Amino acid sequence: DAGITQSPRHKVTETGTPVTLRCHQTENHRYMYWYRQDPGHGLRLIHYSYGVKDTDKGEVSDGYSVSRSKTEDFLLTLESATSSQTSVYFCAISENRWTDYGYTFGSGTRLTVV
Amino acid sequence: QQPVQSPQAVILREGEDAVINCSSSKALYSVHWYRQKHGEAPVFLMILLKGGEQKGHEKISASFNEKKQQSSLYLTASQLSYSGTYFCGTADRGSTLGRLYFGRGTQLTVWP
Repeated sequence: DAGITQSPRHKVTETGTPVTLRCHQTENHRYMYWYRQDPGHGLRLIHYSYGVKDTDKGEVSDGYSVSRSKTEDFLLTLESATSSQTSVYFCAISENRWTDYGYTFGSGTRLTVV
Repeated sequence: QQPVQSPQAVILREGEDAVINCSSSKALYSVHWYRQKHGEAPVFLMILLKGGEQKGHEKISASFNEKKQQSSLYLTASQLSYSGTYFCGTADRGSTLGRLYFGRGTQLTVWP
Protein backbone atom coordinates (compact mmCIF):
# COMPACT_ATOMS: atom_id res chain seq x y z
CA ASP A 1 0.00 0.00 0.00
CA ALA A 2 3.06 2.19 -0.37
CA GLY A 3 2.05 5.66 -1.53
CA ILE A 4 5.56 6.41 -2.71
CA THR A 5 7.96 4.20 -4.61
CA GLN A 6 11.49 4.73 -5.82
CA SER A 7 13.27 3.01 -8.67
CA PRO A 8 15.70 1.48 -9.04
CA ARG A 9 16.40 0.27 -5.49
CA HIS A 10 20.05 -0.35 -6.24
CA LYS A 11 22.28 0.81 -9.04
CA VAL A 12 25.96 0.62 -9.89
CA THR A 13 27.16 2.98 -12.58
CA GLU A 14 30.42 4.18 -14.03
CA THR A 15 31.95 7.60 -13.53
CA GLY A 16 30.86 10.04 -16.20
CA THR A 17 27.60 8.35 -17.14
CA PRO A 18 24.22 10.02 -16.68
CA VAL A 19 21.84 8.40 -14.21
CA THR A 20 18.14 9.02 -13.57
CA LEU A 21 16.33 8.04 -10.41
CA ARG A 22 12.57 7.97 -10.29
CA CYS A 23 10.15 8.80 -7.51
CA HIS A 24 6.49 7.92 -8.03
CA GLN A 25 3.64 8.79 -5.66
CA THR A 26 -0.02 7.89 -5.61
CA GLU A 27 -1.03 10.36 -2.87
CA ASN A 28 -1.51 13.38 -5.15
CA HIS A 29 0.72 15.44 -2.86
CA ARG A 30 1.97 18.69 -4.26
CA TYR A 31 5.34 18.78 -2.51
CA MET A 32 8.15 16.37 -3.36
CA TYR A 33 11.78 16.32 -2.25
CA TRP A 34 15.03 14.57 -3.07
CA TYR A 35 17.51 14.01 -0.23
CA ARG A 36 20.81 12.22 -0.09
CA GLN A 37 22.01 10.43 3.02
CA ASP A 38 25.67 9.97 3.82
CA PRO A 39 27.29 8.72 7.03
CA GLY A 40 27.89 11.58 9.42
CA HIS A 41 25.86 14.07 7.39
CA GLY A 42 22.29 13.05 7.96
CA LEU A 43 19.81 13.93 5.22
CA ARG A 44 20.67 16.79 2.89
CA LEU A 45 18.25 18.35 0.44
CA ILE A 46 19.19 18.17 -3.24
CA HIS A 47 16.13 19.60 -5.02
CA TYR A 48 12.47 19.99 -4.27
CA SER A 49 9.24 20.59 -6.14
CA TYR A 50 6.16 22.53 -5.16
CA GLY A 51 4.09 21.68 -8.19
CA VAL A 52 4.24 20.44 -11.76
CA LYS A 53 7.18 22.12 -13.47
CA ASP A 54 7.93 24.09 -10.27
CA THR A 55 11.25 23.10 -8.78
CA ASP A 56 14.05 24.69 -6.80
CA LYS A 57 17.53 23.89 -5.54
CA GLY A 58 18.43 22.59 -2.15
CA GLU A 59 21.72 22.80 -0.32
CA VAL A 60 23.64 20.17 -2.33
CA SER A 61 22.29 20.63 -5.85
CA ASP A 62 25.54 20.84 -7.85
CA GLY A 63 25.72 18.04 -10.42
CA TYR A 64 22.01 17.21 -10.14
CA SER A 65 18.94 18.24 -12.08
CA VAL A 66 15.27 17.40 -11.63
CA SER A 67 12.09 17.34 -13.59
CA ARG A 68 8.43 17.09 -12.71
CA SER A 69 6.09 16.86 -15.67
CA LYS A 70 3.30 15.11 -13.74
CA THR A 71 2.13 15.41 -10.16
CA GLU A 72 3.01 11.80 -9.45
CA ASP A 73 6.57 11.67 -10.81
CA PHE A 74 9.70 13.48 -9.69
CA LEU A 75 12.91 12.54 -11.51
CA LEU A 76 16.44 13.14 -10.28
CA THR A 77 19.23 13.11 -12.85
CA LEU A 78 22.94 12.95 -12.18
CA GLU A 79 24.23 14.60 -15.29
CA SER A 80 27.69 13.00 -15.20
CA ALA A 81 28.06 10.72 -12.20
CA THR A 82 31.08 11.09 -9.92
CA SER A 83 32.31 8.95 -7.04
CA SER A 84 31.27 11.69 -4.59
CA GLN A 85 27.67 11.03 -5.61
CA THR A 86 27.80 7.52 -4.23
CA SER A 87 25.05 7.70 -1.63
CA VAL A 88 21.60 6.61 -0.61
CA TYR A 89 18.95 8.78 -2.20
CA PHE A 90 15.55 9.28 -0.60
CA CYS A 91 12.49 10.83 -2.10
CA ALA A 92 9.90 12.35 0.23
CA ILE A 93 6.40 13.75 -0.20
CA SER A 94 4.43 16.22 1.85
CA GLU A 95 0.75 17.01 1.89
CA ASN A 96 1.16 20.75 2.33
CA ARG A 97 3.82 23.40 2.58
CA TRP A 98 3.58 23.48 6.35
CA THR A 99 4.37 19.73 6.48
CA ASP A 100 1.86 19.40 9.31
CA TYR A 101 1.60 15.67 8.80
CA GLY A 102 5.27 15.04 8.23
CA TYR A 103 7.15 13.68 5.31
CA THR A 104 6.57 10.24 3.89
CA PHE A 105 9.79 8.80 2.56
CA GLY A 106 10.34 6.30 -0.21
CA SER A 107 12.44 3.19 0.44
CA GLY A 108 15.53 4.77 -1.04
CA THR A 109 17.93 4.11 -3.91
CA ARG A 110 21.44 2.96 -3.12
CA LEU A 111 23.69 4.34 -5.84
CA THR A 112 27.31 3.34 -6.27
CA VAL A 113 29.50 5.19 -8.76
CA VAL A 114 32.65 3.27 -9.69
CA GLN B 1 20.90 25.94 8.92
CA GLN B 2 21.31 22.29 9.82
CA PRO B 3 20.06 21.74 13.38
CA VAL B 4 22.43 20.27 15.95
CA GLN B 5 21.47 17.05 17.66
CA SER B 6 22.84 15.64 20.90
CA PRO B 7 23.95 13.16 21.96
CA GLN B 8 25.34 11.40 18.90
CA ALA B 9 24.67 7.98 20.41
CA VAL B 10 22.79 6.48 23.36
CA ILE B 11 22.91 2.95 24.73
CA LEU B 12 20.12 1.80 27.03
CA ARG B 13 18.68 -1.24 28.73
CA GLU B 14 15.04 -2.07 28.17
CA GLY B 15 12.86 -0.02 30.43
CA GLU B 16 15.27 2.91 30.74
CA ASP B 17 14.52 6.44 29.60
CA ALA B 18 16.34 8.63 27.09
CA VAL B 19 16.29 12.25 25.94
CA ILE B 20 17.47 13.46 22.55
CA ASN B 21 17.96 17.16 21.94
CA CYS B 22 17.72 19.28 18.81
CA SER B 23 18.81 22.89 18.54
CA SER B 24 18.61 25.42 15.70
CA SER B 25 20.05 28.87 15.12
CA LYS B 26 16.97 29.89 13.10
CA ALA B 27 13.50 30.94 14.20
CA LEU B 28 11.39 27.83 13.73
CA TYR B 29 7.86 27.14 12.61
CA SER B 30 7.95 23.48 13.50
CA VAL B 31 10.16 20.59 14.55
CA HIS B 32 9.76 17.06 13.25
CA TRP B 33 11.10 13.82 14.66
CA TYR B 34 11.82 10.71 12.58
CA ARG B 35 13.19 7.27 13.34
CA GLN B 36 15.20 5.23 10.88
CA LYS B 37 16.01 1.57 11.27
CA HIS B 38 19.08 0.19 9.55
CA GLY B 39 18.57 -0.18 5.81
CA GLU B 40 15.11 1.39 5.90
CA ALA B 41 13.55 4.76 5.20
CA PRO B 42 13.02 7.34 7.94
CA VAL B 43 9.57 7.15 9.49
CA PHE B 44 7.69 10.16 10.82
CA LEU B 45 7.11 10.10 14.58
CA MET B 46 5.76 13.48 15.46
CA ILE B 47 5.64 17.17 14.74
CA LEU B 48 5.73 20.04 17.20
CA LEU B 49 4.26 23.27 15.98
CA LYS B 50 4.84 26.84 16.95
CA GLY B 51 2.26 27.55 19.60
CA GLY B 52 2.71 24.23 21.35
CA GLU B 53 0.45 21.88 19.47
CA GLN B 54 1.88 18.39 19.23
CA LYS B 55 0.85 15.67 16.84
CA GLY B 56 2.24 12.18 16.78
CA HIS B 57 3.19 9.16 18.74
CA GLU B 58 1.56 7.60 21.79
CA LYS B 59 4.53 6.37 23.79
CA ILE B 60 7.09 8.94 22.77
CA SER B 61 6.72 12.57 23.69
CA ALA B 62 8.52 15.77 22.87
CA SER B 63 8.76 19.40 23.77
CA PHE B 64 9.43 22.53 21.74
CA ASN B 65 10.85 25.72 23.20
CA GLU B 66 10.16 28.34 20.54
CA LYS B 67 12.18 31.07 22.20
CA LYS B 68 15.30 28.96 22.37
CA GLN B 69 14.66 27.15 19.05
CA GLN B 70 15.13 23.86 20.84
CA SER B 71 13.26 20.58 20.94
CA SER B 72 13.70 17.46 23.01
CA LEU B 73 12.42 13.94 22.33
CA TYR B 74 11.59 11.82 25.36
CA LEU B 75 11.59 8.04 25.08
CA THR B 76 10.12 6.54 28.21
CA ALA B 77 10.47 2.92 29.31
CA SER B 78 12.45 2.02 26.19
CA GLN B 79 11.60 -1.09 24.25
CA LEU B 80 13.84 -3.08 21.93
CA SER B 81 11.83 -1.72 19.01
CA TYR B 82 12.97 1.81 19.85
CA SER B 83 16.45 1.05 18.52
CA GLY B 84 17.39 3.07 15.46
CA THR B 85 18.65 6.47 14.44
CA TYR B 86 16.54 9.47 15.38
CA PHE B 87 16.55 12.61 13.29
CA CYS B 88 15.07 15.97 13.97
CA GLY B 89 13.95 18.07 11.04
CA THR B 90 13.29 21.77 11.33
CA ALA B 91 11.10 24.08 9.28
CA ASP B 92 12.20 27.69 9.39
CA ARG B 93 9.63 30.37 10.01
CA GLY B 94 10.71 32.13 6.84
CA SER B 95 10.28 29.08 4.62
CA THR B 96 7.10 28.87 2.61
CA LEU B 97 7.83 25.70 0.73
CA GLY B 98 7.90 22.97 3.34
CA ARG B 99 11.57 22.21 3.20
CA LEU B 100 13.11 20.62 6.25
CA TYR B 101 16.68 20.76 7.49
CA PHE B 102 17.73 17.56 9.22
CA GLY B 103 20.19 17.01 12.02
CA ARG B 104 22.93 14.40 11.73
CA GLY B 105 21.03 11.92 13.82
CA THR B 106 21.25 10.19 17.20
CA GLN B 107 21.84 6.46 17.21
CA LEU B 108 19.83 4.75 19.94
CA THR B 109 20.57 1.15 20.93
CA VAL B 110 18.32 -0.67 23.37
CA TRP B 111 19.62 -3.91 24.89
CA PRO B 112 17.52 -6.59 26.59
